[in-house]
Amino acid sequence: DIQMTQSPSSLSASVGDRVTITCQASQDISNYLNWYQQKPGKAPKLLIYDASNLETGVPSRFSGSGSGTDFTFTISSLQPEDIATYYCQQYDNPLFTFGPGTKVDIK
Amino acid sequence: EVQLVQSGAEVKKPGESLRISCKGSGYSFTSYWISWVRQMPGKGLEWMGRIDPSDSYTNYSPSFQGHVTISADKSISTAYLQWSSLKASDTAMYYCARQYSSSWYDAFDIWGQGTMVTVSS
Repeated sequence: DIQMTQSPSSLSASVGDRVTITCQASQDISNYLNWYQQKPGKAPKLLIYDASNLETGVPSRFSGSGSGTDFTFTISSLQPEDIATYYCQQYDNPLFTFGPGTKVDIK
Repeated sequence: EVQLVQSGAEVKKPGESLRISCKGSGYSFTSYWISWVRQMPGKGLEWMGRIDPSDSYTNYSPSFQGHVTISADKSISTAYLQWSSLKASDTAMYYCARQYSSSWYDAFDIWGQGTMVTVSS
């Protein structure tokens, strides 16, 4: 099975800061990597699919990059409404695996 | 509006059986896989398995194979997650999610609101 790791597990940043989260797969997953946002008490929401494609309606301050085993998720200018836990997810047909999550809050 | 609506919170005793549901609307229910995702209190997301509602073909995570059963009734656009004998460790929020599939990516684009299952004696 493919294992996913994320770092950091949590971070605090100021409004307007650039925030970067990394996700690493235990083997090559090409671009089969998605990113989700989960706000407290809410269902997850798809932000980025296929490593770097922004889901419709998602603000452009969110972006993703990478391929193979190493991926990056970036919030270019952190906003108060971005307080959430962010998860990467890989797809290795037919199985899905989520990373452990990165909790983001405001300093 | 495309949506998945899940059944309400459940409180059960260890050893009891349970089936929770996820009803799709606003789209062709048989055209998309439905997955189930577990989130234990204060923990991360775990993919449990999925079903193709068109023919009820299923895939399970090795971690959940044999512990739960995923089914669907396409006539009423509803997917189910079922336990035959609950344990306290099954206490969690359970989400269903629609899997969007194309030739170049797969992702969970629509999520249900979640069903909280509490198992306690």
